[in-house]
Amino acid sequence: DAKTTQPNSMESNEEEPVHLPCNHSTISGTDYIHWYRQLPSQGPEYVIHGLTSNVNNRMASLAIAEDRKSSTLILHRATLRDAAVYYCILRATLRAGGTSYGKLTFGQGTILTVHP
Amino acid sequence: GAGVSQTPSNKVTEKGKYVELRCDPISGHTALYWYRQSLGQGPEFLIYFQGTGAADDSGLPNDRFFAVRPEGSVSTLKIQRTERGDSAVYLCASSLTGGDGSETQYFGPGTRLLVL
Repeated sequence: DAKTTQPNSMESNEEEPVHLPCNHSTISGTDYIHWYRQLPSQGPEYVIHGLTSNVNNRMASLAIAEDRKSSTLILHRATLRDAAVYYCILRATLRAGGTSYGKLTFGQGTILTVHP
Repeated sequence: GAGVSQTPSNKVTEKGKYVELRCDPISGHTALYWYRQSLGQGPEFLIYFQGTGAADDSGLPNDRFFAVRPEGSVSTLKIQRTERGDSAVYLCASSLTGGDGSETQYFGPGTRLLVL
């Protein structure tokens, strides 16, 4: 599986934007870039994903470098509830048993602390 | 609608005992995944079901671990002769079809297993 590299931790103040970087220099042409986050004592939660173009949804924005070797998750206005571990994941399409699927390979993630 | 549910939420057992962990996926989701998360680490893939069949069990650590999904909905992860190293949070996720690398996985809250 292609590997991602993220900072171990980042800090932000409430209501400020947060830019969470991710390097993935070995990404292949068909890998999707997914971001999940995990709040304390909860299962991971989907945030956003993209392939080549920048993406926006109600939770965040995803900026993907032109060469796709890095990406940045952008939280436009951090809140205390955004404090979590953020995982950047490259998701390949696999085939087994006659079906296609994509298992998630998590790294260590970035621990985001939000200060009031 | 209802999300992925897992029972029990916590399980304490003694070394050498047998345990079963249950996952109820989102209704209509044909793809189901099990992951294991050790303290301070990201989740690790264990097994993937498409319908009733285990299409990829490459993440199961050894033959003490087994999972079933007999009717294509609820899944049970079974661990025989538990060891202290099996202590972890066991996460279940489901997705609509398995699909390609773009499909979102929805996680349950996990079962926290402690082997004494």
